[in-house]
Amino acid sequence: DTGVSQNPRHKITKRGQNVTFRCDPISEHNRLYWYRQTLGQGPEFLTYFQNEAQLEKSRLLSDRFSAERPKGSFSTLEIQRTEQGDSAMYLCASSPGTGGEAEQYFGPGTRLTVT
Amino acid sequence: GQQVMQIPQYQHVQEGEDFTTYCNSSTTLSNIQWYKQRPGGHPVFLIQLVKSGEVKKQKRLTFQFGEAKKNSSLHITATQTTDVGTYFCAGRSGTSYGKLTFGQGTILTVHP
Repeated sequence: DTGVSQNPRHKITKRGQNVTFRCDPISEHNRLYWYRQTLGQGPEFLTYFQNEAQLEKSRLLSDRFSAERPKGSFSTLEIQRTEQGDSAMYLCASSPGTGGEAEQYFGPGTRLTVT
Repeated sequence: GQQVMQIPQYQHVQEGEDFTTYCNSSTTLSNIQWYKQRPGGHPVFLIQLVKSGEVKKQKRLTFQFGEAKKNSSLHITATQTTDVGTYFCAGRSGTSYGKLTFGQGTILTVHP
């Protein structure tokens, strides 16, 4: 068990550019979650996958955001045409099983700065 | 949509004093989880409460789930400097099995 890993750890981009983040969950964890966290706030749910199926997506998530988990293992989160308001820590978490009760294991996050 | 509020936002205590943070949901929850985030770190799971009125203890930490399953609390007895961090509650409603809604957290500072 090597834990949840995320790459890159930091990303600085200019407004209007596209960025992609990667999350590698704990092996054999069926569920994978993406959150966004800004300073002084709790993690804000973005979307989650059960295996390769994206089961729920936040209504707050604009069409510029897309996430994939093509083989049910790692996941990518892409933000197109970045805006300064997208600057935040993007957290990935995974959990075992298919139920909603399992604890979530968080990765170290990717800190995005949009200039 | 579902909202989860936490109070207080900040709490400064002297080492050895007790600490309590409260969590309130706008909707009935199927379960609630508590996480701790150290400065510069990521959230780490502490505990989950499922049953109405449930009380769980972990050493100096006591967690409670309200009878109506809309509120919860975390109490730390005799705080230590290692307790420093932000404590989040996160609730799950019965209509969304995957989504966790986090409160804004309580930042605990412990002065030695």
